[in-house]
Formats: sequence, structure tokens, C-alpha cells
Amino acid sequence: DADVTQTPRNRITKTGKRIMLECSQTKGHDRMYWYRQDPGLGLRLIYYSFDVKDINKGEISDGYSVSRQAQAKFSLSLESAIPNQTALYFCATSGSSQTSTDTQYFGPGTRLTVL
Amino acid sequence: GDSVTQMEGPVTLSEEAFLTINCTYTATGYPSLFWYVQYPGEGLQLLLKATKADDKGSNKGFEATYRKETTSFHLEKGSVQVSDSAVYFCALSDRGNQGGKLIFGQGTELSVKP
Repeated sequence: DADVTQTPRNRITKTGKRIMLECSQTKGHDRMYWYRQDPGLGLRLIYYSFDVKDINKGEISDGYSVSRQAQAKFSLSLESAIPNQTALYFCATSGSSQTSTDTQYFGPGTRLTVL
Repeated sequence: GDSVTQMEGPVTLSEEAFLTINCTYTATGYPSLFWYVQYPGEGLQLLLKATKADDKGSNKGFEATYRKETTSFHLEKGSVQVSDSAVYFCALSDRGNQGGKLIFGQGTELSVKP
């Protein structure tokens, strides 16, 4: 079984709809991240969480919110989806050491299309 | 702020050709450097990493050396295979209190033809 899972894998929605993307991990990691990938822009950090009570904005948090329901679960919400939020979304996890060398483990991604 | 710049793709090579994908970075501290690979339809996975100057990361025939003097971390492979076709991302991780956050380059698509 995959260590980091994301649901749904694909979603098509309409402008103005509320959307939730879910991420679960079985690696026992404290740190979780949400990124979006756009062609030619690489991955950009939306939100990150270093433990259940710690939530931080990333580079592009406007229009998004998150919830860390448990150590293993980190959800991303789009309160009112707009077409420029069409992208590939990735969840990732890493260990809780204080160094910068921890590998991040990525889920398979959710392809979101906002019409 | 910190940033990563990669050579633009797509890069198309014949099987057994030599590969170089350039990556340069800007950072205020002493970051760790990473190469991640994304195969079609999959998430990213770590290919290799280096944590200090002159370190060489290597995996699956790929290598990259952390060059502080040129702020570079170029990815190389001596003989590519069709199965290496993927998107490659260079990334850095800061070492401050928020250690662990990754900053990615824009990605370089590699296509290897038989």
C-alpha cells in the first residue's frame, strides 16, 4: 500500500464550488505539506504543518485553507474555486528532525479542473 | 528570497547519450540540495541529495555535486535509458527555524528515444 495517499485523484468542478482534497499518510511523520504544480512553474508551497497544532501559510495560500485532523491526515480546501486554481496538487510528508535534510515523500497527486 | 533555476526543457536524447541538466540556486544560508524525479502520472520521488559543499549525491547512475563557489548542483548521467524519461526537479531546503521547507525549480522534462 502507498505511504501517502490522496483523494480524489481527479476532480472537475465549477467556479464557486467548495472543494476538499484529502491526504493521508502511514509513515508516522509529523510534517505535512500541500503543493500545487503548474507547467513551467515547478511546485509551489500552499500550506504546511509541522504537527497537529501547527499550521503555516506557504508561498501561495490565498484562496486556500487547510485542516490537520490528525497526525496522519491533512486536508486542503478551496472555499470558492476559480479557474486559475486548475492545477495538479500534491501532498507530501517528512520527518520531524530540526535539520533540512529530511526527504519529503509525495502522494500521487490530485488533478483539479475548475470550469 | 531563496530560489532555484533549472535549464529549460524539454530535453530530448537518444538512448546511451550523456545527460546534463543544469541547476543553480540563490540562498542566504547553507541549504541542502536535492534532485527529485517525477515519472509520468506519478508523484515526485527523491533521486539524490547533498547537504554541504563538495558533497556528491548519487543514485541509479545519476550524480550531482554541491558546488558552493558556483552555487550549482548540476545533474549528470553517463548513459541514459528510455526508462529515465521523466521530469526532473532541483530543489533546496533552508536550514533556519523552518528547516525542511523545499523550494523547487521549474522542472526539466527529459525524453529519451530508443
